[in-house]
Amino acid sequence: GQNIDQPTEMTATEGAIVQINCTYQTSGFNGLFWYQQHAGEAPTFLSYNVLDGLEEKGRFSSFLSRSKGYSYLLLKELQMKDSASYLCAVREGGDSWGKLQFGAGTQVVVTP
Amino acid sequence: DGGITQSPKYLFRKEGQNVTLSCEQNLNHDAMYWYRQDPGQGLRLIYYSQIVNDFQKGDIAEGYSVSREKKESFPLTVTSAQKNPTAFYLCATLLRLGPGELFFGEGSRLTVL
Repeated sequence: GQNIDQPTEMTATEGAIVQINCTYQTSGFNGLFWYQQHAGEAPTFLSYNVLDGLEEKGRFSSFLSRSKGYSYLLLKELQMKDSASYLCAVREGGDSWGKLQFGAGTQVVVTP
Repeated sequence: DGGITQSPKYLFRKEGQNVTLSCEQNLNHDAMYWYRQDPGQGLRLIYYSQIVNDFQKGDIAEGYSVSREKKESFPLTVTSAQKNPTAFYLCATLLRLGPGELFFGEGSRLTVL
C-alpha cells in the first residue's frame, strides 16, 4: 500500500525558518512534489524532486533522500502570506503521470 | 487567460440526487483528473482521462461517473450510490513538459443535506 506522513500543523514566527518533513512508503517512485494550498483554494505547485539532493527556488527549498523515503520543504524568511497547507505528493509511475499519492497536508501558521 | 474553470463553486444536494460538476480547461493539456479532498486526509484520485473518449478509474471511483467527449471538458457526476459525497472536489490537468506537475482548478464544494 501507500503511506505518506507529514505533521499536521506547525507554527512559526514571521521572518523565521520552518522545515516540513515528509516520509513515504510507496510501491514505486517517480518523483516527489510539494504543493501549497490556501484555505478553500486550489493547490499550486512549489517544487519537484526526483534525484537525491536539494532543489532551491527562492525562499523555498526541497530535499529528497530516496533511500530513506524522506523529503523536506524548507521555507525561509517566513511571511504572513505563507500561512497555508503544504501537501507532499509522490508519483509512483506507471501509466499516468498525474496519479499522485498525497499526504494529508501540513498546516503552517505564521504569527507576527 | 489560460486556466481551469470548475463550476459551480458551491453546490448543495439532497440525498438521492445525482449532481454533475463541470471542469473546463483551455490549456490544451491532454490529461485531466478528478481528486477528492476531505479534512485530515490527502487528495484521493477518483477518475482520470489521458485522451478524448477514454478514462480510467482511480482509487475511489465507486459512486462516481465521468465522460470525456471533448479535450477541453471532463465533467464528474456524483451519483446517489456515493455514500459520503460531501467533500471538496478538485479537477486538474497535467503538463507533460518538465516535471509533469498538475494544474488544479479552484474546486467545487459539494454538501449533501
